[in-house]
Amino acid sequence: GENVEQHPSTLSVQEGDSAVIKCTYSDSASNYFPWYKQELGKRPQLIIDIRSNVGEKKDQRIAVTLNKTAKHFSLHITETQPEDSAVYFCAASMFEGFQKLVFGTGTRLLVSP
Amino acid sequence: DSGVTQTPKHLITATGQRVTLRCSPRSGDLSVYWYQQSLDQGLQFLIQYYNGEERAKGNILERFSAQQFPDLHSELNLSSLELGDSALYFCASSGESREYYGYTFGSGTRLTVV
Repeated sequence: GENVEQHPSTLSVQEGDSAVIKCTYSDSASNYFPWYKQELGKRPQLIIDIRSNVGEKKDQRIAVTLNKTAKHFSLHITETQPEDSAVYFCAASMFEGFQKLVFGTGTRLLVSP
Repeated sequence: DSGVTQTPKHLITATGQRVTLRCSPRSGDLSVYWYQQSLDQGLQFLIQYYNGEERAKGNILERFSAQQFPDLHSELNLSSLELGDSALYFCASSGESREYYGYTFGSGTRLTVV
């Protein structure tokens, strides 16, 4: 089955710096890659996603890149702000008659003022 | 409001007891997923249901069981509770199509076993 590895497990940056979180997946058939943000005690929320027919997608300060050959994808956050502090989860999914997301282990991002 | 409703929001119970967590999926979603998240841990997949049938099982203990009813709501039953079962339990739902848009999570049930 699919396996998703996520690095780093924790990331501390200064406000205004960029942050990059990387994930690798094992199954080349995976074709959908969402990113979730989870604030303390809250539910995970989808912040951006990318499909396998696209190499990069941007939404204001966040972007996701996908390298299908290397089977890895990354989340980029520019001009970080304290409110970006949260746990970020990557995931990979394929459609085989039904969907099943496999989540990474999460990255705790701390943005210091 | 994500459209996925979980009740109760908080639950405090004693060891050895049994509790039931409830989830109503987003309108139109046929799949329901249950996850356990212990303090500072990741999302541990427990079980998935699709239109009333069990579809996939993860690291779900034998003391735990779940079902999805004809109206598509789902219940997660936790029995013989132990201190280590204290966690946030999330339900998520999704549609089933090739134009997939990921899971929508409910706000979770925080279970404290004392």
